[in-house]
Order: sequence, then structure tokens, then C-alpha cells
Amino acid sequence: DAGVTQSPTHLIKTRGQHVTLRCSPISGHKSVSWYQQVLGQGPQFIFQYYEKEERGRGNFPDRFSARQFPNYSSELNVNALLLGDSALYLCASSVGVATNEKLFFGSGTPLSVL
Amino acid sequence: AQRVTQPEKLLSVFKGAPVELKCNYSYSGSPELFWYVQYSRQRLQLLLRHISRESIKGFTADLNKGETSFHLKKPFAQEEDSAMYYCALSENTGNQFYFGTGTSLTVIP
Repeated sequence: DAGVTQSPTHLIKTRGQHVTLRCSPISGHKSVSWYQQVLGQGPQFIFQYYEKEERGRGNFPDRFSARQFPNYSSELNVNALLLGDSALYLCASSVGVATNEKLFFGSGTPLSVL
Repeated sequence: AQRVTQPEKLLSVFKGAPVELKCNYSYSGSPELFWYVQYSRQRLQLLLRHISRESIKGFTADLNKGETSFHLKKPFAQEEDSAMYYCALSENTGNQFYFGTGTSLTVIP
């Protein structure tokens, strides 16, 4: 079965550039959330979207933004990249936004900022 | 503020021995708690959630509100249990989700 798919598979950028990461949820899932995982740490919540609306936001600067499309796919945008933005970016989908929802994760997009 | 604490980054046990992975949380409301697992070269996946009160692959976890803990236990560890385990908390308001830093479990044959 087609799980959560993320693209690109990896990315290398330089400081100050902009990046767009993409995520396609499992068919039938209406919620997508984004996480940043720095090496050696657990995933850190960035955003949750449901039915194209932002439903939750973590403690990240305004350089981070996201959106969800009518087909429930999602993009994460990061502007003015900093070295500290180097991390694995994970997308997860779920059926809805109940607090006990099971999250299904993609394999992630590793981003290196040089 | 760190909502979820996993005090052990690394844990090694022998096959057949009991295993306990510790998780403590900080939240004043009634949280939803989960354990997620990542096996080698696989995606992060849900192991169990406290609301289901289930046992998955022999693992159980009990929510102790007095001690604010949600430790993961298995009476007899197997080699295939070797993985990275993350404790996670979902707030019942505000749609926030927090992961701990993870515990890498190695089961020695």
C-alpha cells in the first residue's frame, strides 16, 4: 500500500536560500503534520494541517510556513535558511485531528544547509 | 519546556531479560501518551497508545498520573525488539505534539 510519501529524497542548500518540501498523505487521511528531527533528538512538532487549515503550530520562527492543498497534500516552506535548519524533516498523516490519532510517518527529507 | 523526558539514551539487555524504557512527562491536563518505535531502516511507527490499553508485540505501558510516567515494559526481550523508542505526548487542547529524545534499545543475543 502507498504510505506517506515525501519529496525530495534529500536536499542540500546554502545559507539564505529558500526550500520547499512536499508530502502526500495516505489516501483517506485529511490531516498532515510536519516535524523537524535534529540528529540525536526526537522529532519536534512544527505544524499540523487539517482540511487545508492550520490546526496547530510549534515553537518555530515565521521563516517556517506550510499549506495544505485540496487533495490533502502539503508543502513546508523555509525561508532564509540557517545552518541550524539542517535536520531530517518528517511528515506524518492521520485520518483526523483527534488527540489520540495514530500518526503514519514518511521516510523524511534530510536537509543540509551549508 | 520539555514535556517528555526519556532519561536513557542507550539501553542494553540480554535476550529473555525484562526490559523497561522510562518516560516521564510534564503536563497539567490529561495528556494522550504514545510509544513510537523506529526499527533499523524503517519508518517511525506507532507501537502503542495508552488510551487503547493494549499489548503490542508483548509490550505494555501504564500511565501513572501520580508519578507522571508512562514507562514501556516487556517481560522477555527479543532480538527483534532492538530499535529506537520514542515516548510522545499529545495535548488535549491546542493540537500540540511532543516527542522525547528517544532510547536506543539493544537486545544482546
